[in-house]
Amino acid sequence: LAKTTQPISMDSYEGQEVNITCSHNNIATNDYITWYQQFPSQGPRFIIQGYKTKVTNEVASLFIPADRKSSTLSLPRVSLSDTAVYYCLVGENYGGATNKLIFGTGTLLAVQP
Amino acid sequence: EAGVAQSPRYKIIEKRQSVAFWCNPISGHATLYWYQQILGQGPKLLIQFQNNGVVDDSQLPKDRFSAERLKGVDSTLKIQPAKLEDSAVYLCASSSLDSFYNEQFFGPGTRLTVL
Repeated sequence: LAKTTQPISMDSYEGQEVNITCSHNNIATNDYITWYQQFPSQGPRFIIQGYKTKVTNEVASLFIPADRKSSTLSLPRVSLSDTAVYYCLVGENYGGATNKLIFGTGTLLAVQP
Repeated sequence: EAGVAQSPRYKIIEKRQSVAFWCNPISGHATLYWYQQILGQGPKLLIQFQNNGVVDDSQLPKDRFSAERLKGVDSTLKIQPAKLEDSAVYLCASSSLDSFYNEQFFGPGTRLTVL
């Protein structure tokens, strides 16, 4: 299975905007891109999902280029409580009837005061 | 609404022993997932159920892992016999077919240590 890659870690300060990218070259044509946040000793929590162009909700924006081989999660004005690991999740198709769900390698975001 | 429940939260066993994990998804969620998350890595899908049928189990090591979802609700994941490399957090998640977004709701996980 192809790897869905992300930067290992990022540092930021409170109040800054943070952009985390995910590379997913084998994304299935009919599948969404989803981002999750994970705190230590907890399961991942849904942040945002999109198929193409731009999606925005109350906590984040998701930018997806036309070829859909990458995506960028944008967190506006981060706070200390945004320190966590962020994962992208995509479906990849290898000729079967169903897409295989593949989580990215994860990005540890450390927000400093 | 109540979240995804998993038990036990922690389990320590010796290699070659057997272990079972239990998951109760959110009420009404048709799809249930089991993931393995090794320390420092992203979750890896082991098996996906829709109701009580298997959608994808291509990454489940079937010589030692098994999973079932009787009656399309609760699920159990079993490892028999365990190996050292099975040490990981086992996450259960569920999702609804009715939601616009395929949002998965995760339980807290079971941390397995194999000695």
